[in-house]
Amino acid sequence: NAGVTQTPKFQVLKTGQSMTLQCAQDMNHNSMYWYRQDPGMGLRLIYYSASEGTTDKGEVPNGYNVSRLNKREFSLRLESAAPSQTSVYFCASSVTGTGSGNTIYFGEGSWLTVV
Amino acid sequence: EDQVTQSPEALRLQEGESSSLNCSYTVSGLRGLFWYRQDPGKGPEFLFTLYSAGEEKEKERLKATLTKKESFLHITAPKPEDSATYLCAVQAYSSASKIIFGSGTRLSIRP
Repeated sequence: NAGVTQTPKFQVLKTGQSMTLQCAQDMNHNSMYWYRQDPGMGLRLIYYSASEGTTDKGEVPNGYNVSRLNKREFSLRLESAAPSQTSVYFCASSVTGTGSGNTIYFGEGSWLTVV
Repeated sequence: EDQVTQSPEALRLQEGESSSLNCSYTVSGLRGLFWYRQDPGKGPEFLFTLYSAGEEKEKERLKATLTKKESFLHITAPKPEDSATYLCAVQAYSSASKIIFGSGTRLSIRP
């Protein structure tokens, strides 16, 4: 009963280093998301993927790239980390529907510190 | 512009003292309003989805209600284990991916 799984849970990077956050879901959801959460600012959407093979920018995409590897996996890459990217990152997934609201389910989070 | 505002930012209650959390929203065509619970160091945990004004949903000591402008999360006779941050989010018909979150209410229940 894994749901949404993210790795790593904690990471410390030096400014300018690159890294990839991995995410996988086992709920057969079409849509996947990457959010960041900062104190006092709530959850902000970085990128999302409505289906395998498609990705789109969210509210705060600068400095990030994503890959929807297959239906299950959606990775987030920081090419050149900056201190402003210190945050908690959450991956999430949902069904894609045209009717009522689509509940999204979150992973446990990845704590990233850039020094 | 679509917006979600939660109040209060923080709320401290005595065990058994009932209260309500507020989520005010502005969205062009509400597709769904969501409530989540988030414990420290964890991801948000889904509680409820509300779709239309007048709808109510309950789960244990929690009841969520919805009007055309706001939603309330009522907590009846809370226990210390109800302490958490409660997040509200809205989804618009204009974009299935556009799920906007409020900043949350940090609820603390003293025994």
